[in-house]
Amino acid sequence: EIVLTQSPATLSLSPGERATLSCRASQDISSYLAWYQQKPGQSPSLLIYDASNRATGIPARFSGSGSGTDFALTISSLEPEDFAVYYCQQRSNWPPGITFGQGTRLEI
Amino acid sequence: QVTLRESGPALVRPTQPLTLTCTFSGFSLSTSGMSVSWIRQPPGKALEWLALIDSHDDKYYSASLRTRLTISKDTSKNQVVLTMTNMDPVDTATYYCARLGAVGPALDYWGQGTLVTVSS
Repeated sequence: EIVLTQSPATLSLSPGERATLSCRASQDISSYLAWYQQKPGQSPSLLIYDASNRATGIPARFSGSGSGTDFALTISSLEPEDFAVYYCQQRSNWPPGITFGQGTRLEI
Repeated sequence: QVTLRESGPALVRPTQPLTLTCTFSGFSLSTSGMSVSWIRQPPGKALEWLALIDSHDDKYYSASLRTRLTISKDTSKNQVVLTMTNMDPVDTATYYCARLGAVGPALDYWGQGTLVTVSS
């Protein structure tokens, strides 16, 4: 099973600052990585797919990068509504399945 | 407009089975490349993938829960059903269904989730 390790577990920043969240895969997953944002009491929502493509309606301040085993989600200038939990996710063909990282909490 | 909605019991007794239904609209599971997945989230914890079924009726399960899970689909009703046997209090979680396949291997639409509590 492919393991995704997110760091840091918690990131404390202020509005207007830049945030960089990391996700490391236990083996090469090419660019097949997605990022999600989850706010309290809500379902996760897709931000980034295929490592660097923004989902429909996602603001340009969100960007994804990386390939292979190391990936990053960057928020260029934090807005108050960006403080949430972020998860990375991959799908593998062998063993077949989906895995999520353990999440990074972005707090004010 | 794509929507998914989970339904099922809010309370399950230990050792009993859980059956959840995902009813969706705005896409068809007979379309090649489409799939529906189940994911759960215990209170205050991370997301955990459970199972996936695709347009070819191929089924994939979490390795750690494989022996307890069964996923099936009814294409005519636009429904995906997940059954989990031998429920335990540690299975208390919000259970989500989500669509995968329209934007690579990412879950682009999610249901609102249903909280299942396992307690006697």
